[in-house]
Amino acid sequence: DIVLTQSPGTLSLSPGERATLSCRASQSVYSSYLAWYQQKPGQAPRLLIYGASTRATGIPDRFSGSGSGTDFSLTISRLEPEDFAVYYCQQYGDSLFTFGPGTKVDIK
Amino acid sequence: QVQLQESGPGLVKPSETLSLTCTVSGASINILYWSWIRQPPGKGLEFIGFIFDSGSTNYNPSLKSRVTISGDTSKNQFSLKMTSVTVADTAVYYCARANLALGAVYIDFWGQGTLVTVSS
Repeated sequence: DIVLTQSPGTLSLSPGERATLSCRASQSVYSSYLAWYQQKPGQAPRLLIYGASTRATGIPDRFSGSGSGTDFSLTISRLEPEDFAVYYCQQYGDSLFTFGPGTKVDIK
Repeated sequence: QVQLQESGPGLVKPSETLSLTCTVSGASINILYWSWIRQPPGKGLEFIGFIFDSGSTNYNPSLKSRVTISGDTSKNQFSLKMTSVTVADTAVYYCARANLALGAVYIDFWGQGTLVTVSS
């Protein structure tokens, strides 16, 4: 089974700063099957990126995804106040989804 | 617009069966994949299982022995049954749609989630 590890666990930054979140897989993941979600308290997750690098509909271009194989990243170029949230990576394999443990981006 | 709505008891006793239903509007459960995902309070997301457009299913191996997902195309609903629940099954349960596009597989629509508490 593929295990996803996200780092750091918490990222403390100020609005306007750049955030880089990492997602590492225990074995190679097909890039098309890697997605990122944002979750705010009391809300369902929201799709940000699919296929490792394609922004979902309505997602601002300050969000970008990259990576391949076992190493993937989500970058927020300039943090806006509404971006402080928890971010999850997720992969699809063997007809199952697996989620990473999440990275919390909070206000410094 | 695709909408999903979970329904079912918010309180289940230990050792009993948890039953939830997801009502879908704006899309047919005969197309694409439909899933259940849960999130214990203050914790991360855990995939429970899929029902595919073919009607076949697949489950998280760690839950497989206790979980059944089924669909009712006449009502455009799919359901989750989890047997022998314990306090560790207390969580917000989400139903969601998995989309397939350009070779990618991802969740594009989620229900609002429903909290199920396991307690005597």
